[in-house]
Amino acid sequence: EVQLVESGGGLVQPGGSLRLSCAASGFTISTYWMHWVRQAPGKGLVWVSRIKSDGSITDYADAVKGRFTISRDNAKNTLYLQMISLRAEDTAVYYCAVFHAAVAAWGHGTLVSVSS
Amino acid sequence: EIVLTQSPGTLSLSPGERATLSCRASQSVTSSYLAWYQQKPGQAPRLLIYDTFSRATGIPDRFSGSGSETDFTLTISRLEPEDFAVYYCQQYGSLPLTFGGGTKVEIK
Repeated sequence: EVQLVESGGGLVQPGGSLRLSCAASGFTISTYWMHWVRQAPGKGLVWVSRIKSDGSITDYADAVKGRFTISRDNAKNTLYLQMISLRAEDTAVYYCAVFHAAVAAWGHGTLVSVSS
Repeated sequence: EIVLTQSPGTLSLSPGERATLSCRASQSVTSSYLAWYQQKPGQAPRLLIYDTFSRATGIPDRFSGSGSETDFTLTISRLEPEDFAVYYCQQYGSLPLTFGGGTKVEIK
């Protein structure tokens, strides 16, 4: 069974840092672009970042560029999102996802709350 | 950035009725790279349609996608009780990838 499981979310003060992880099972992530998408409470979906299958290309939404870093460890079948200089507007559920139709998987999400 | 505008914001229908959801793009979507997702409360989104027309694995044939360039439609031919949810369109042909604001399909 294809599964993505995020972890690492929590409550952090403005200006703080967090590192999210996304462990995949049931398939090999090394074949696919991987993405992070976030959803603020009661709001819609917003794409955050993506990374190519071999890690050679990364892209970011303007709102997180320079503060978030996406990475992957294909040997561990795991995706990461390092977040620094967190702001209140970064508060959201963060999902990792594979958009490719062959997998089409999303994790259950991990909540990041930025508040003093 | 391609802005996706979904309409209506809320669709109130009864089981068995047909649902037509619209997604309009601010500029042409590259190679028809347009997807539709369903999201229920407390759950992650689920892929329904990709590449404008293609149904994802396990998606019933009452769901269909159509459209091109800037105008796209998701049609649910006959609503089942489990179809009441929020639906999002997404374009993945241009950076940044973008989602529409969503259409809530609620029970009338």
